[in-house]
Parts: sequence; C-alpha cells; structure tokens
Amino acid sequence: KNEVEQSPQNLTAQEGEFITINCSYSVGISALHWLQQHPGGGIVSLFMLSSGKKKHGRLIATINIQEKHSSLHITASHPRDSAVYICAVRYYNTDKLIFGTGTRLQVFP
Amino acid sequence: EPEVTQTPSHQVTQMGQEVILRCVPISNHLYFYWYRQILGQKVEFLVSFYNNEISEKSEIFDDQFSVERPDGSNFTLKIRSTKLEDSAMYFCASRGDQSTEAFFGQGTRLTVV
Repeated sequence: KNEVEQSPQNLTAQEGEFITINCSYSVGISALHWLQQHPGGGIVSLFMLSSGKKKHGRLIATINIQEKHSSLHITASHPRDSAVYICAVRYYNTDKLIFGTGTRLQVFP
Repeated sequence: EPEVTQTPSHQVTQMGQEVILRCVPISNHLYFYWYRQILGQKVEFLVSFYNNEISEKSEIFDDQFSVERPDGSNFTLKIRSTKLEDSAMYFCASRGDQSTEAFFGQGTRLTVV
C-alpha cells in the first residue's frame, strides 16, 4: 500500500533552534513535495524534489531516493514558522499527490 | 505572483442540497485537481482533470461529485446531494506540466448541516 509517514507528529521548539521533520514513503516516486499549512487552512508549496537537495532562505529539503526518505530542515527557527508541515508524494504512473498526516510545529519566543 | 483562487471561502449548506465550489487556476496551467481535508485528518485526493476530461479519480469521487471547466478559466466541483460527511475543506490545485509543482488555493470550507 502506498503510504507516506511523517515524524514527529508534533514538535515544539525555542526560537533559534534547528528543526528537522522527516518523511518516508514506501515505493518509487516521481516527485516529493513539502507543503506548509497555516491555521487558516491554506496550503503553500515549499519545495518539489525528485533528487538531492533544495534550499530557500532558512528552509532546506533533502531526499534520499535509495532510502525512500526526505527531511525538511528549518534553520534559526522563528515563531512565524509555526504551522503544519506536510509531506506529499507523487508515485509513478499516477498524477495524484498522496499526503502524510503532517507535523505540527510550534516555535516559542 | 500568480495564484489559485477559490470561492467562496466558507459555504454552509443543508443536507441534500447541491453545492458548487469554484476555482480559478493559474492561467496557462494544464493540470487541475480537487483535494479535500476533513477536520483533523490528512488531505485526500478527489480528482484530476486534464485536456477537458477526468484523468484520475479516487473512490471518494462517486456519482454525487462532478467537475467541469465551463469557460477555460473556471474549474468547478459540484456535489449533487450533500451529506453531513461531505463537511471538509476543499482545495483546488493546478500545475503547468508534469515536471512542475502544484499550486494550491486557500480552500473552501464546506459545512453541511
């Protein structure tokens, strides 16, 4: 069964801490997405990866195809980073995204 | 920056009524999607649409659901006879081609009473 697992489910941090959120999936994928969902509900795309590493500001996303694993890192975390971070994958021969359950991050000042 | 626009942001409807959720995808995008998220649960795929036809749909997308791109700019999701369990946040998404990321709208919160 094509599943997407995320860990941890909940994460609290002090401002300035380095954050890591993990995502694993079960079979080969054509792309992996990291998304952010704020309390209002809207979803914002952060990264789309099929290999290697991408960086945008304080956010870094990596993927290891052999291990079927991806990580999202936030450097120098800030209270405005508080949100739900979601991993979603597109498996081969399908156009749909399969979503993980999300990681709720709270960063305190 | 171009964005996917959804209307309304919140819709309350009586059970058994028909609702139409509207989306304006990013212009020049070719692939369109509807997803939903029941409160407290993960986002689930409903349907994908390409070249004026459904390309893939989930088990959730039964005969009470339909999608349409009536005029080349709007992309709509119709629920014919709403049930209480249809209450959820519905997200529209679009992308340009198979190598690009999907962009999501802000969602429509549907409450069936």
